Amino acid sequence: GAVVSQHPSWVICKSGTSVKIECRSLDFQATTMFWYRQFPKQSLMLMATSNEGSKATYEQGVEKDKFLINHASLTLSTLTVTSAHPEDSSFYICSVTGGNSDTQYFGPGTRLTVL
Amino acid sequence: SQKIEQNSEALNIQEGKTATLTCNYTNYSPAYLQWYRQDPGRGPVFLLLIRENEKEKRKERLKVTFDTTLKQSLFHITASQPADSATYLCALDPRNTDKLIFGTGTRLQVFP
Repeated sequence: GAVVSQHPSWVICKSGTSVKIECRSLDFQATTMFWYRQFPKQSLMLMATSNEGSKATYEQGVEKDKFLINHASLTLSTLTVTSAHPEDSSFYICSVTGGNSDTQYFGPGTRLTVL
Repeated sequence: SQKIEQNSEALNIQEGKTATLTCNYTNYSPAYLQWYRQDPGRGPVFLLLIRENEKEKRKERLKVTFDTTLKQSLFHITASQPADSATYLCALDPRNTDKLIFGTGTRLQVFP
């Protein structure tokens, strides 16, 4: 399957600052990437679908102005959490669809802690 | 409402036994269902996909069944090992849009 990396693996920031998380597809050209958020002891919740060269589509309840997504190339998508607050502290995970589009391959995740 | 349910209580079994995890869903008619493994602090890893016209699928020590009448999938790990200890998530794509909805996961603990 596809190999996906994320950077950073963890980040701690002050409230009100912005944080950028990178998701890279290392061996696969991904026209579509997905961003998820996972709170402790909860399941993954899809935040948005990132499409290369076009605007991301956001799930209901996800603020597009707060979670900025850029999918500038077939191998890179970024998620920027703007004006982060403690309630944004979570585990953010990206995924790509593989050659068989029914399967998703996930990155290792980024732990965000907002103080 | 639409939802996916997995047993939220941890499943503790002895090494060598078969672990069986359950995934129930309501108000969906998915074309396929997937199972993932997630270790603490890590992203999910794809294990198996089973389609609506498949009753059963196997991969090494793993077996998945899919009953679209009962709206249930069972996930079996035979000859379980301590290394199988993890959280197992089921997921489905209710609208065939590649957007997955995940269950809450069941934590499996295999002890020697």
